[in-house]
Amino acid sequence: QVQLQESGPGLVKPSETLSLTCSVSGGSISVYYWSWIRQPPGKGLEWIGYTHYSGNTNYNPSLESRVTISVDTSKNQFSLKLSSVTAADTAVYYCARGHLRNYSFYYMDVWGKGTTVTVSS
Amino acid sequence: QSVLTQPPSVSGAPGQRVTISCTGSSSNLGAGFHVHWYQQLPGAAPILLIYGNNNRPSGVPDRFSGSKSGTSASLAITGLQAEDEADYYCQSYDSGLSGFWVFGGGTKLTVL
Repeated sequence: QVQLQESGPGLVKPSETLSLTCSVSGGSISVYYWSWIRQPPGKGLEWIGYTHYSGNTNYNPSLESRVTISVDTSKNQFSLKLSSVTAADTAVYYCARGHLRNYSFYYMDVWGKGTTVTVSS
Repeated sequence: QSVLTQPPSVSGAPGQRVTISCTGSSSNLGAGFHVHWYQQLPGAAPILLIYGNNNRPSGVPDRFSGSKSGTSASLAITGLQAEDEADYYCQSYDSGLSGFWVFGGGTKLTVL
């Protein structure tokens, strides 16, 4: 049974870089695709991007200039870096395992519990 | 404002059937791209309910079913139970701009 666990600072200052890690247990990260999704307080879900151990990545165009998602196969982890954050980046951040059947058929079947990140000075 | 439109709320009594719609356009559902559905219980992470328009992952009750036609998709829940009270989100691919995966705005299901 694959499980995902997010970790990282719960408070980030404006203009700094948000950094989160997702630890994968119960399965190898060298299979499937791995995504980050966020949910601002009281709002809906927003897909941030995904990565694959091969180096294949894809990002939400609205965040692409600020986002980096990468995999560390030695630690069975993947990470999210979001630069130049503002209050609008305050959200619950989820990591998830994804299935990519073709360029458009992508869904996420295992999710972490989520971690709350607040952007404030 | 999402490119996939869902009603903000729906409700039904225990045992009834409810449907939740997800309306898109020619750049997403209308282009033939698949739709997936997630359930988010209060205070919890989303759970995959339906993938590829109408496929249930193992463990999801057959009370949940999905369908898609043209620019719209629907999630149907039969035999409504109190534990079904949650937020529901559709997700698909949108070929507008650079192309990426989008979620609907979400629908709050209230069991009366």
